[in-house]
Amino acid sequence: GDSVTQTEGLVTLTEGLPVMLNCTYQSTYSPFLFWYVQHLNEAPKLLLKSFTDNKRPEHQGFHATLHKSSSSFHLQKSSAQLSDSALYYCALSASSGSWQLIFGSGTQLTVMP
Amino acid sequence: EAAVTQSPRNKVTVTGGNVTLSCRQTNSHNYMYWYRQDTGHGLRLIHYSYGAGNLQIGDVPDGYKATRTTQEDFFLLLELASPSQTSLYFCASSGDRGRGTEVFFGKGTRLTVV
Repeated sequence: GDSVTQTEGLVTLTEGLPVMLNCTYQSTYSPFLFWYVQHLNEAPKLLLKSFTDNKRPEHQGFHATLHKSSSSFHLQKSSAQLSDSALYYCALSASSGSWQLIFGSGTQLTVMP
Repeated sequence: EAAVTQSPRNKVTVTGGNVTLSCRQTNSHNYMYWYRQDTGHGLRLIHYSYGAGNLQIGDVPDGYKATRTTQEDFFLLLELASPSQTSLYFCASSGDRGRGTEVFFGKGTRLTVV
């Protein structure tokens, strides 16, 4: 069945350094990929999602590129801010899974001053 | 922005106890979901519904019942709570379940079973 893998459970880095959070997936059909972000004591909310026309989604300085050849949708930002500290989930939705949203295990990002 | 409200926000119950978690959405969304969040497992779908009176089983349904009484209200029932059900529970809603549809989450209910 469809699945999402986030290999890093915890990422800690210094403010101003680049961010890259890994996400790979398995799906029988071409899925939609998403990144959701959850700040402490808040609801998870959509950060960005893949487009059907291969445009690169961007939001709040974050971007992600869907690479079908490597089944990846890594999240990147050029310069981390303290306010980026949060739990990040990669997720997919595909017709092979009746469009159910399937989440990875999440990556906790901590940005230090 | 879409609104999903959960109550209570925190709940402590004893093993074998009866618990009901409530969720209301005011987005006129068709789909509503219950997830549990556990470290190392991410968000896992318990049950979902696509309208009043409808219920679909998710990936981790054992020990949970759910009921959708209206388009707005979705309840999660734990009739014989166990310590393994200690978790953070999220309710969510979406207008559709199709391609690229955004899901909107509530702030969660932290349940502790002692």
